[in-house]
Amino acid sequence: NAGVTQTPKFQVLKTGQSMTLQCAQDMNHEYMSWYRQDPGMGLRLIHYSVGAGITDQGEVPNGYNVSRSTTEDFPLRLLSAAPSQTSVYFCASSYGEALNTEAFFGQGTRLTVV
Amino acid sequence: SQKIEQNSEALNIQEGKTATLTCNYTNYSPAYLQWYRQDPGRGPVFLLLIRENEKEKRKERLKVTFDTTLKQSLFHITASQPADSATYLCALEVTGGGNKLTFGTGTQLKVEL
Repeated sequence: NAGVTQTPKFQVLKTGQSMTLQCAQDMNHEYMSWYRQDPGMGLRLIHYSVGAGITDQGEVPNGYNVSRSTTEDFPLRLLSAAPSQTSVYFCASSYGEALNTEAFFGQGTRLTVV
Repeated sequence: SQKIEQNSEALNIQEGKTATLTCNYTNYSPAYLQWYRQDPGRGPVFLLLIRENEKEKRKERLKVTFDTTLKQSLFHITASQPADSATYLCALEVTGGGNKLTFGTGTQLKVEL
């Protein structure tokens, strides 16, 4: 049972490049989310999804897009990378509203934008 | 605005003692509060969840209290061990469901021999 898998683990981008951070879960969870973690800031919610075909913005959505075409996958797209997007990105998943709401996190993607 | 505060200073304690970490929040009426452990270079790992109608929750050497009047949660690790050294995060759900979490910045705990 792999849990939440994120790829890549590390990435360096040049300003203006685009890329997709991949996230997949094999627990049949309804809810999936993307967070970024910066020193002294804690984890901040970027986008989230409560089911396939449904996404919404979190606290810091600008510069990022998401889609949820399947229950398993929730990719995060950086449209035009900026140095301010240098961060560690975590994907998380959890069961739906009526069940246990603990979140399962991936190992993270460390992104550097130069 | 909604805010979660954890002691940003590292907590150093001696092995065998009880570690107590604090999480204070403002402008929230959370249905539940969660505690996570994070090791360097790893994602957070869930430890405990406590609901608004629960005063205390225990799991092995861990204990969490939740005081909605004080707007505070305390996280205790009894008989602490060096392996407990990590950063501990508290998290509240943002209103609207979907398990959208707002995290504190975390408290680093170091248990020394």
